[in-house]
Amino acid sequence: QIVLTQSPSASASLGASVKLTCTLSSGHSSYAIAWHQQQPEKGPRYLMKVNSDGSHSKGDGIPDRFSGSSSGAERYLTISSLQSEDEADYYCQTWGTGMVFGGGTKLTVL
Amino acid sequence: EVQLVESGGGLVQPGGSLRLSCAASGFTVSSNYMSWVRQAPGKGLEWVSVIYSGVSISYADSVKGRFTISRDISKNTLYLQMNSLRAEDTAVYYCARDQADNSNYALLRILWGQGTLVTVSS
Repeated sequence: QIVLTQSPSASASLGASVKLTCTLSSGHSSYAIAWHQQQPEKGPRYLMKVNSDGSHSKGDGIPDRFSGSSSGAERYLTISSLQSEDEADYYCQTWGTGMVFGGGTKLTVL
Repeated sequence: EVQLVESGGGLVQPGGSLRLSCAASGFTVSSNYMSWVRQAPGKGLEWVSVIYSGVSISYADSVKGRFTISRDISKNTLYLQMNSLRAEDTAVYYCARDQADNSNYALLRILWGQGTLVTVSS
């Protein structure tokens, strides 16, 4: 069964950039993943799909500050020019027999 | 407008039942991957069930045999029948859609509903 691994927490300063990582389990390095944002007390919001070749496609209305990339079994979400509203939980997700989620990364904007 | 609106959550006693609904607009539930995802208080996202294609259905092991996913195409609505509820089923339940391509592969283009809270407690 496919497993997605994320660091539990990350932090970066207002106006800086941060790169979040999602690692696919062994044998699944060709899988595409999706990134979702969940702000405090809100439901999840789809950000983008990231393919194994590093290409990505964003959801409607997602700012240019958000981008995706890949390297091997790792999928990345980069947020530039951090704003206070970017403080949220970020989940990666793919499909196995059902939707498979990473444990989430809590991003703190300092 | 393309959206999902859940309803049916509430307080139920352990061992009780509840049916959640997810009304879709702007697209048809029959041509997409339609899932239920839950989030217990302070926890991460947990996939519950999916229905797609003709009658392909899958469940998480934690709900297998207790929950039933279904859809009513005439009402363009997804359902989750939850029986034998336990305290650990307490969560916000989200409806989610993923689009499918012509070969019926999921495209990882997710649309989320706003969620409905289910509390299992005596």
